[in-house]
This record gives sequence, structure tokens and C-alpha cells, in this order.
Amino acid sequence: GENVEQHPSTLSVQEGDSAVIKCTYSDSASNYFPWYKQELGKGPQLIIDIRSNVGEKKDQRIAVTLNKTAKHFSLHITETQPEDSAVYFCAASFNTNAGKSTFGDGTTLTVKP
Amino acid sequence: ETGVTQTPRHLVMGMTNKKSLKCEQHLGHNAMYWYKQSAKKPLELMFVYSLEERVENNSVPSRFSPECPNSSHLFLHLHTLQPEDSALYLCASSRNRGLNEQYFGPGTRLTVT
Repeated sequence: GENVEQHPSTLSVQEGDSAVIKCTYSDSASNYFPWYKQELGKGPQLIIDIRSNVGEKKDQRIAVTLNKTAKHFSLHITETQPEDSAVYFCAASFNTNAGKSTFGDGTTLTVKP
Repeated sequence: ETGVTQTPRHLVMGMTNKKSLKCEQHLGHNAMYWYKQSAKKPLELMFVYSLEERVENNSVPSRFSPECPNSSHLFLHLHTLQPEDSALYLCASSRNRGLNEQYFGPGTRLTVT
């Protein structure tokens, strides 16, 4: 089955700096890669996703890059703000396992004001 | 507010109790999911329902029994649980079972004593 590794497990940055979280996956058939943000006391919320037919996607301060050859994808947050502090999860899934995503362990991001 | 609600938000139960978790989605989605989130572990998919039919049972012990009476409601019936079942139980929904964004509820924090 699919295996997703996420690094780092914790990340602390100064407000205004950039943050990068990386995930690797094992199954080359995976073709959908969402990123979720989970704030304290809440469920995960999708913040950005990418499909295997594109290499990069951007939404304001958030971007995701995908390298299918190396089987890794990354979340980039620029101009970080204290409200970006949360746990971030990556996931990978593929068509033949529709609805079943494999999640990374999560990264706890702390943005210091 | 994601359009997915869960009740109760917190539950403490003994190992001999029977309780149920409820999830309701107001998004008109056709697929619903139960996940288990334990500390220091990735999200674990438990069950997937598509159009009220269970399409995935991820090797979950029989002390967890899901029920989907219609496409808007999902229950998780609990009986004779173990302390290691203590976790955050998250419900999610998506438009279809395919590679679509999942919307998560806030979760039920379950403690088994």
C-alpha cells in the first residue's frame, strides 16, 4: 500500500519568514495530493491540493510543488503570520482507491510574532 | 464552519458502555467517512460510505459499527471499547467517492476509562 512520510514533525519560524513542509510517497500510481491545516479543537481543513498532471499550484501565500519522478511534494507558505500556526497534514491517493487517502504524520508549525 | 457537524464533541465512556457518535453534513455530498486520529499517529481511515453503501472497511474491530441511514447522516456505534480506542474521531464528507476535497467535522474526543 501507499506510504507517506512527512518532514519536519515540528517547525518554528519568525513571523514574515517562509515555511516549507515536505512529503514523500511510495506508490507511483498516486495522483492526488491534498494538504490540510488543523487548528486546535477543529477538524482538518483543506488548504490546497494538486493533481499529478501539474507541477505547481499557488493560492495567495500558499503554494504546492510536485515532483512525480522523485515522488515528493512540498507545501510552501510565504510571509507567515501567527494565525498560520497549526498542524499541517499531507496526503496521497489514487484513482483505484477512490476515497482512500494515506496521510502523513503531520507537522506542527509555530509562527512567532 | 465546514458544513459537517459532529455530536457529541466530547465523550467519556466505560468499557462496558454503548454509545453512538453522530455526524451530519449539510453540503449535499454523496460520500462520508469515519477517521480515527490518535496522538503521534497519522489519520487512520475507518469506513467509507458512498450513496449510503459501505464501500470500505479498513480492518476495523467489530466493536465499532457504522451506520449510514441516508446520505446526510453517519453514525458510529461503540460497544465494549478498550482504553486504546481513546482518540479523536473525525467525520468527513466529499462530493463523490473519487478524488475530491474532503470536508471534515470538528471531531468527537473520546475517552475510554
